[in-house]
Order: sequence, then structure tokens, then C-alpha cells
Amino acid sequence: GAVVSQHPSRVICKSGTSVKIECRSLDFQATTMFWYRQFPKKSLMLMATSNEGSKATYEQGVEKDKFLINHASLTLSTLTVTSAHPEDSSFYICSATLKGWSSGNTIYFGEGSWLTVV
Amino acid sequence: SQQGEEDPQALSIQEGENATMNCSYKTSINNLQWYRQNSGRGLVHLILIRSNEREKHSGRLRVTLDTSKKSSSLLITASRAADTASYFCATDFVGSNYKLTFGKGTLLTVNP
Repeated sequence: GAVVSQHPSRVICKSGTSVKIECRSLDFQATTMFWYRQFPKKSLMLMATSNEGSKATYEQGVEKDKFLINHASLTLSTLTVTSAHPEDSSFYICSATLKGWSSGNTIYFGEGSWLTVV
Repeated sequence: SQQGEEDPQALSIQEGENATMNCSYKTSINNLQWYRQNSGRGLVHLILIRSNEREKHSGRLRVTLDTSKKSSSLLITASRAADTASYFCATDFVGSNYKLTFGKGTLLTVNP
């Protein structure tokens, strides 16, 4: 079945530095990928929709300059947390859909990436 | 908020019992999906039910959808300890450009 891979699964970085998280669709082309953030024991909050070859669409309240999203190919989207602060510590999950996304298509989720900013 | 609301927030049962989780939402949907998440892990898609469907089955899972009440239920029959996880409903709202909105989730604990 379709698989979405995230890397790294865990990362610790110093406050003020930037960290990049990759989301790859391993056996299918994904024109659309989604990035979510999840706090412990809470639900997933959509941060942005990543579209291959175009700018990401950010949800209200998400700082686009802080959470840089690049979707340069049909199999890779990256989320870069710039100038990270301890409050950015969270679980980040990406998801991807098969090319030609429409309502009802199955969305495949990555395993998530734990970010800890110290 | 259009976010779905699951209830209960937490459910603890014994192995072999059935577990029922409910999800309510506020606006019209194209479809509703249920996901499972083990602690600290990614999401696993369980089942999708479209707005014109009323019930779907998959193995020990049974999902119902009542669009008039804007609610859905997930039933897990003959539960196992391995079913212990958080369960989320996610809705694809009409006009949302196919983005999923997740509910707050139900933490299910199945005791051996």
C-alpha cells in the first residue's frame, strides 16, 4: 500500500536554530501534502496545504515565515521551522494524497516527527 | 469552530467488550473518516464513509453516519488489548477544498 515517510522521527535543536522535516511519498505521486501539528493528548491542527510546484496555503494563525514549506517534487515536501523556540516543540505530521486529489481519496499519513527545542 | 467533537474523551473497557465512540460536527460534509493513532505515532486510516452512505463495515469496525444529526459513530466489536489507541474522526467539509478537520479524539483503553 501507499506509504508516507517522515524524517527525522525525532529531533532536538537549540533555540534560535532552524530544523527541517521531510515528508516523502514512497510509492506514489502526491500533488498535495498537508502538514499538521499536534500537542500532547490533543487533536491534529492543520498548518498548511503544500502543493507541488506552487506556494503553500497556510491556515489562519500560522506564520508562513516561521514555518517554511517547500514542495519541489511530486514525492517530497519539507517543513522548515525557522528560529525555533521552545513553544515550537510539538509533534508534526504530514499526509499525502494520490495525484488527482479529490474528496474521498484516501489520505496517507507519515509517522510524525517529534521536535524538541531546548 | 467546525471541528468535530468526539465523545467520550476517554473510554476504558475490558477485552472482548464492544467500544462505541461518537463524533459530531457542525456543517455539511463530503465525507467523514475515522483514524487511529497509537501514542506518539502517525495516523492509520480506518474507514471512510461518504455523505450519502449510512453505514459501513470493515472487519470488526462498524461506522454509521447520520447527516440529519450531523453525527457519526465508530463501533469496535470484540475489542482486543491491541485496539488501545486514540481514535479521531475527520471531516471533509463542503467548501473546505478537501481539507480534513479533525475532532478531539477518544482515548480507548482495552484492559486485558
